[in-house]
Amino acid sequence: QVQLVQSGAEVKKPGASVKVSCRASGYTFTDYYIHWVRQAPGQGLEWMGWIITNSGGTNYAQKFQGRVTMTRDTSISTAYMELNWLTSDDTAVYYCARGNFKTVLRGVVTDRLYYFDSWGQGTLVTVSS
Amino acid sequence: DIQMTQSPSSLSASVGDRVTITCRASQSITIYLNWYQQKPGKAPKVLIYAASSLQSGVPSRFSGSGSGTDFTLTISSLQPEDFAAYYCQQTYSTPYTFGQGTNLEIK
Repeated sequence: QVQLVQSGAEVKKPGASVKVSCRASGYTFTDYYIHWVRQAPGQGLEWMGWIITNSGGTNYAQKFQGRVTMTRDTSISTAYMELNWLTSDDTAVYYCARGNFKTVLRGVVTDRLYYFDSWGQGTLVTVSS
Repeated sequence: DIQMTQSPSSLSASVGDRVTITCRASQSITIYLNWYQQKPGKAPKVLIYAASSLQSGVPSRFSGSGSGTDFTLTISSLQPEDFAAYYCQQTYSTPYTFGQGTNLEIK
């Protein structure tokens, strides 16, 4: 079965960086994008970006541009999310999710309607001095 | 960015009730709308994608409808395991955005 397993909890000081891993199994890793979503304590869900696991191309939310880097290692079916210049506002659970899609007609072209059909268990990142 | 607004933010209901949660987008997103359920301490789980397509393995008491800017998630007969938080999400354009969530509680 499809499974995404993330690395363990991290405690970081302000200004530091964190790198979270997400190991996929049960499907062909390069057939689906990996998305990253975070959730601050008691708050809602926030999309951070995606990585195209085949090519390595990325699309980051503007909020995180310049501070986030998403990479992947196809040889071990693992995606990574690195976030730099951490502040207390970055304290959150970070999730990776597989981006499945449904092909739809958008105007005169076909498009992919993405949804996240499998999620990692989450990685708590705590930023504290 | 497309803003997603859910209502209500919280809801108390009883087992067996029919429940509807609404989600409104700040601009048309056609059917690029997904619904997720999240239980405390767990990752979200997709229930409905493309506004009305039921994810495999999800009970048929869950249904979704709508297009354009207005969407609904309906649970036809609440079961004890349905008490959780629910989020809508648009994937029409990046950044993909979620609604603020609806907490469904036992009355």
